[in-house]
Amino acid sequence: AAGVIQSPRHLIKEKRETATLKCYPIPRHDTVYWYQQGPGQDPQFLISFYEKMQSDKGSIPDRFSAQQFSDYHSELNMSSLELGDSALYFCASSLGVAGGTYEQYFGPGTRLTVT
Amino acid sequence: AQKITQTQPGMFVQEKEAVTLDCTYDTSDPSYGLFWYKQPSSGEMIFLIYQGSYDQQNATEGRYSLNFQKARKSANLVISASQLGDSAMYFCAMREGRSSASKIIFGSGTRLSIRP
Repeated sequence: AAGVIQSPRHLIKEKRETATLKCYPIPRHDTVYWYQQGPGQDPQFLISFYEKMQSDKGSIPDRFSAQQFSDYHSELNMSSLELGDSALYFCASSLGVAGGTYEQYFGPGTRLTVT
Repeated sequence: AQKITQTQPGMFVQEKEAVTLDCTYDTSDPSYGLFWYKQPSSGEMIFLIYQGSYDQQNATEGRYSLNFQKARKSANLVISASQLGDSAMYFCAMREGRSSASKIIFGSGTRLSIRP
Protein backbone atom coordinates (compact mmCIF):
# COMPACT_ATOMS: atom_id res chain seq x y z
CA ALA A 1 0.00 0.00 0.00
CA ALA A 2 1.17 3.50 -0.78
CA GLY A 3 2.50 5.47 2.17
CA VAL A 4 3.27 9.08 2.94
CA ILE A 5 6.34 10.28 1.05
CA GLN A 6 8.66 12.93 2.43
CA SER A 7 11.60 14.55 0.76
CA PRO A 8 14.38 15.01 1.35
CA ARG A 9 15.04 12.34 3.96
CA HIS A 10 18.09 14.14 5.29
CA LEU A 11 19.01 17.80 5.08
CA ILE A 12 21.97 19.72 6.40
CA LYS A 13 21.76 23.50 6.49
CA GLU A 14 23.71 26.30 8.10
CA LYS A 15 22.33 28.87 10.49
CA ARG A 16 20.27 31.59 8.85
CA GLU A 17 19.70 29.51 5.72
CA THR A 18 16.30 28.43 4.44
CA ALA A 19 14.90 24.93 3.95
CA THR A 20 11.88 23.48 2.21
CA LEU A 21 10.46 20.11 3.21
CA LYS A 22 7.98 18.32 0.98
CA CYS A 23 5.22 15.88 1.82
CA TYR A 24 3.12 13.75 -0.50
CA PRO A 25 0.12 12.23 1.33
CA ILE A 26 -1.37 8.82 0.83
CA PRO A 27 -3.55 8.89 -2.33
CA ARG A 28 -7.09 10.15 -1.59
CA HIS A 29 -6.04 11.60 1.77
CA ASP A 30 -7.10 15.23 1.98
CA THR A 31 -5.58 16.23 5.31
CA VAL A 32 -1.92 16.84 6.04
CA TYR A 33 -0.21 17.47 9.35
CA TRP A 34 3.32 18.55 10.23
CA TYR A 35 5.10 17.55 13.44
CA GLN A 36 8.52 18.33 14.84
CA GLN A 37 10.37 15.82 17.01
CA GLY A 38 13.48 17.03 18.83
CA PRO A 39 16.10 14.56 20.08
CA GLY A 40 14.66 12.36 22.82
CA GLN A 41 11.31 14.15 22.71
CA ASP A 42 7.79 13.32 21.62
CA PRO A 43 6.50 14.82 18.38
CA GLN A 44 5.05 18.30 18.65
CA PHE A 45 2.28 19.46 16.32
CA LEU A 46 3.12 22.36 14.03
CA ILE A 47 0.29 22.87 11.57
CA SER A 48 -2.40 21.04 9.59
CA PHE A 49 -4.31 21.52 6.35
CA TYR A 50 -7.65 20.16 5.22
CA GLU A 51 -8.67 20.54 1.59
CA LYS A 52 -5.85 23.03 1.02
CA MET A 53 -6.96 25.30 3.86
CA GLN A 54 -5.07 25.72 7.11
CA SER A 55 -7.04 23.90 9.75
CA ASP A 56 -5.12 23.96 13.01
CA LYS A 57 -1.96 25.61 14.21
CA GLY A 58 0.35 24.56 16.97
CA SER A 59 3.72 25.75 18.18
CA ILE A 60 5.00 26.74 14.75
CA PRO A 61 7.54 29.59 14.77
CA ASP A 62 6.78 32.66 12.68
CA ARG A 63 9.89 31.82 10.65
CA PHE A 64 8.08 28.73 9.35
CA SER A 65 5.26 28.67 6.85
CA ALA A 66 3.43 25.89 5.12
CA GLN A 67 0.82 25.31 2.48
CA GLN A 68 -1.10 22.53 0.82
CA PHE A 69 -1.34 22.52 -2.95
CA SER A 70 -4.08 21.52 -5.36
CA ASP A 71 -2.67 17.99 -5.64
CA TYR A 72 -2.77 17.79 -1.82
CA HIS A 73 0.97 17.69 -1.37
CA SER A 74 2.32 20.06 1.24
CA GLU A 75 5.50 22.03 1.76
CA LEU A 76 6.99 23.34 4.99
CA ASN A 77 9.20 26.38 4.45
CA MET A 78 11.69 27.26 7.14
CA SER A 79 13.68 30.48 7.10
CA SER A 80 16.44 31.97 9.25
CA LEU A 81 17.28 28.52 10.53
CA GLU A 82 18.55 28.21 14.08
CA LEU A 83 20.50 25.42 15.76
CA GLY A 84 17.37 24.56 17.75
CA ASP A 85 15.51 23.75 14.55
CA SER A 86 17.54 20.56 14.24
CA ALA A 87 14.96 17.83 14.53
CA LEU A 88 13.04 15.09 12.78
CA TYR A 89 10.13 16.59 10.86
CA PHE A 90 7.19 14.33 10.22
CA CYS A 91 4.36 14.75 7.81
CA ALA A 92 1.21 12.73 8.39
CA SER A 93 -1.94 12.35 6.35
CA SER A 94 -5.49 11.25 6.98
CA LEU A 95 -8.80 11.01 5.21
CA GLY A 96 -11.21 13.63 6.54
CA VAL A 97 -14.44 11.71 6.05
CA ALA A 98 -17.18 12.97 8.35
CA GLY A 99 -17.59 10.58 11.25
CA GLY A 100 -14.38 8.79 10.34
CA THR A 101 -11.53 7.87 12.62
CA TYR A 102 -9.07 10.26 10.99
CA GLU A 103 -6.23 7.86 11.56
CA GLN A 104 -3.01 9.69 10.90
CA TYR A 105 -0.34 7.84 8.95
CA PHE A 106 3.14 9.22 9.24
CA GLY A 107 5.83 9.54 6.64
CA PRO A 108 9.41 8.42 7.28
CA GLY A 109 10.42 11.92 8.36
CA THR A 110 13.01 14.45 7.24
CA ARG A 111 16.00 14.73 9.53
CA LEU A 112 17.13 18.36 9.51
CA THR A 113 20.50 19.25 10.92
CA VAL A 114 21.39 22.91 11.31
CA THR A 115 25.10 23.65 11.79
CA ALA B 1 -1.73 20.24 31.94
CA GLN B 2 -0.41 16.92 30.72
CA LYS B 3 -2.99 15.44 28.40
CA ILE B 4 -1.32 12.08 27.83
CA THR B 5 0.67 10.36 30.55
CA GLN B 6 2.94 7.40 30.03
CA THR B 7 4.47 6.50 33.37
CA GLN B 8 6.91 3.85 32.16
CA PRO B 9 9.99 5.47 30.60
CA GLY B 10 11.46 2.04 29.88
CA MET B 11 10.53 -1.62 30.08
CA PHE B 12 12.38 -4.89 29.64
CA VAL B 13 10.41 -7.99 28.67
CA GLN B 14 11.41 -11.54 27.84
CA GLU B 15 10.72 -12.67 24.28
CA LYS B 16 7.35 -14.41 23.83
CA GLU B 17 5.90 -12.82 26.95
CA ALA B 18 2.94 -10.46 26.82
CA VAL B 19 3.56 -6.83 27.71
CA THR B 20 1.26 -3.99 28.76
CA LEU B 21 2.23 -0.39 28.12
CA ASP B 22 0.34 2.08 30.29
CA CYS B 23 -1.37 5.24 29.08
CA THR B 24 -3.75 7.60 30.81
CA TYR B 25 -5.31 10.64 29.26
CA ASP B 26 -7.18 13.75 30.25
CA THR B 27 -9.88 15.46 28.23
CA SER B 28 -13.26 17.06 28.77
CA ASP B 29 -14.30 16.52 25.17
CA PRO B 30 -16.75 13.60 24.86
CA SER B 31 -15.47 12.89 21.35
CA TYR B 32 -11.87 11.86 21.07
CA GLY B 33 -9.61 9.22 19.58
CA LEU B 34 -6.69 7.37 21.06
CA PHE B 35 -3.73 6.09 19.08
CA TRP B 36 -0.64 4.02 19.65
CA TYR B 37 2.44 4.48 17.49
CA LYS B 38 5.70 2.54 17.37
CA GLN B 39 8.97 4.30 16.64
CA PRO B 40 11.93 1.99 15.98
CA SER B 41 15.49 3.26 16.20
CA SER B 42 15.34 4.02 12.47
CA GLY B 43 12.97 6.87 13.32
CA GLU B 44 9.79 6.23 11.39
CA MET B 45 6.45 6.52 13.20
CA ILE B 46 4.33 3.42 12.66
CA PHE B 47 0.59 3.48 13.35
CA LEU B 48 -0.45 0.47 15.43
CA ILE B 49 -4.00 0.82 16.68
CA TYR B 50 -6.87 3.27 17.16
CA GLN B 51 -9.72 3.49 19.69
CA GLY B 52 -12.59 5.94 19.39
CA SER B 53 -14.26 7.31 22.49
CA TYR B 54 -17.62 5.94 21.40
CA ASP B 55 -16.35 2.51 20.42
CA GLN B 56 -18.03 -0.16 22.51
CA GLN B 57 -15.39 -2.81 22.01
CA ASN B 58 -11.68 -2.71 22.62
CA ALA B 59 -9.66 -2.32 19.42
CA THR B 60 -7.49 -5.20 18.25
CA GLU B 61 -4.97 -5.44 15.42
CA GLY B 62 -3.13 -8.73 15.22
CA ARG B 63 -0.90 -9.04 18.28
CA TYR B 64 -1.90 -5.57 19.47
CA SER B 65 -4.96 -4.84 21.57
CA LEU B 66 -6.02 -1.71 23.36
CA ASN B 67 -7.43 -2.07 26.87
CA PHE B 68 -9.81 0.89 26.89
CA GLN B 69 -11.22 1.81 30.30
CA LYS B 70 -13.17 4.98 29.67
CA ALA B 71 -14.18 5.72 33.25
CA ARG B 72 -10.55 5.49 34.34
CA LYS B 73 -9.35 7.40 31.26
CA SER B 74 -6.97 4.62 30.53
CA ALA B 75 -5.87 3.21 27.15
CA ASN B 76 -3.20 0.62 27.72
CA LEU B 77 -1.56 -1.20 24.81
CA VAL B 78 -1.18 -4.94 25.14
CA ILE B 79 1.29 -6.78 22.93
CA SER B 80 0.89 -10.53 23.00
CA ALA B 81 3.75 -12.95 22.38
CA SER B 82 6.43 -10.26 22.14
CA GLN B 83 9.12 -10.53 19.47
CA LEU B 84 12.62 -9.09 19.23
CA GLY B 85 11.36 -6.75 16.52
CA ASP B 86 8.98 -5.17 19.00
CA SER B 87 11.91 -3.36 20.63
CA ALA B 88 11.16 0.31 20.01
CA MET B 89 9.75 3.49 21.51
CA TYR B 90 5.97 3.40 21.87
CA PHE B 91 3.88 6.55 21.96
CA CYS B 92 0.31 6.89 23.15
CA ALA B 93 -1.50 9.81 21.53
CA MET B 94 -4.89 11.48 21.53
CA ARG B 95 -6.98 13.48 19.12
CA GLU B 96 -9.70 15.65 20.67
CA GLY B 97 -12.90 16.63 18.94
CA ARG B 98 -14.47 15.66 15.66
CA SER B 99 -12.50 17.93 13.34
CA SER B 100 -10.92 16.06 10.50
CA ALA B 101 -7.69 17.97 10.93
CA SER B 102 -7.36 17.93 14.69
CA LYS B 103 -3.83 17.57 15.90
CA ILE B 104 -2.57 14.56 17.80
CA ILE B 105 -1.03 15.10 21.22
CA PHE B 106 1.63 12.59 22.17
CA GLY B 107 2.74 11.18 25.49
CA SER B 108 6.41 11.07 26.42
CA GLY B 109 6.75 7.49 25.25
CA THR B 110 7.85 4.14 26.66
CA ARG B 111 11.02 2.48 25.43
CA LEU B 112 10.38 -1.25 25.19
CA SER B 113 13.28 -3.66 25.02
CA ILE B 114 12.70 -7.34 24.31
CA ARG B 115 15.25 -9.77 25.73
CA PRO B 116 16.00 -13.00 23.77
